[in-house]
Amino acid sequence: DAGVIQSPRHEVTEMGQEVTLRCKPISGHNSLFWYRQTMMRGLELLIYFNNNVPIDDSGMPEDRFSAKMPNASFSTLKIQPSEPRDSAVYFCASSFRGTPYEQYFGPGTRLTVT
Amino acid sequence: SQQGEEDPQALSIQEGENATMNCSYKTSINNLQWYRQNSGRGLVHLILIRSNEREKHSGRLRVTLDTSKKSSSLLITASRAADTASYFCATSGTYKYIFGTGTRLKVLA
Repeated sequence: DAGVIQSPRHEVTEMGQEVTLRCKPISGHNSLFWYRQTMMRGLELLIYFNNNVPIDDSGMPEDRFSAKMPNASFSTLKIQPSEPRDSAVYFCASSFRGTPYEQYFGPGTRLTVT
Repeated sequence: SQQGEEDPQALSIQEGENATMNCSYKTSINNLQWYRQNSGRGLVHLILIRSNEREKHSGRLRVTLDTSKKSSSLLITASRAADTASYFCATSGTYKYIFGTGTRLKVLA
């Protein structure tokens, strides 16, 4: 099992550019989570999908952020336009049955917006 | 707002010693989990304890939960240099987890 796969691992972009982060959850998992981690705010849940349907997007900072899960094996998190304050590590995690079960985290995407 | 707050924020011990870190939370929970994060990596699940359990063991890990005090502790016995990492508690009420601020553990060889 390859685990949760995220791409790219590092992204450096200029303010105003569109950024797309990608995630492939573990096969068979039906819940997917996007998190953002910063020193100031710690690990924050951005959005939670269950069976490809967004269940809770209350953590999405603002309209510049959007997430999709077109099928069970792929999800994207898009930031448009990006701002320097979006710089963070973005993690995708999946689980077999959502909460309260353990989540499997990907390696993260380190985003730097200049 | 963050649910869990770990204490201490940082801990430095010698290899072979025990490491104890604590987590406090604010509202009722269904269960609590502990995760480890090595530098530059994703979080790895360590152990889950349900709200009706008081203690749980897994290898060198011992977790306790006191729902009356809304607190949990993670004990790592006979620590190793490889245990150096950040440790997070995550509490679950309904369908999502709230992660704490983490304890940075450094085990000196």
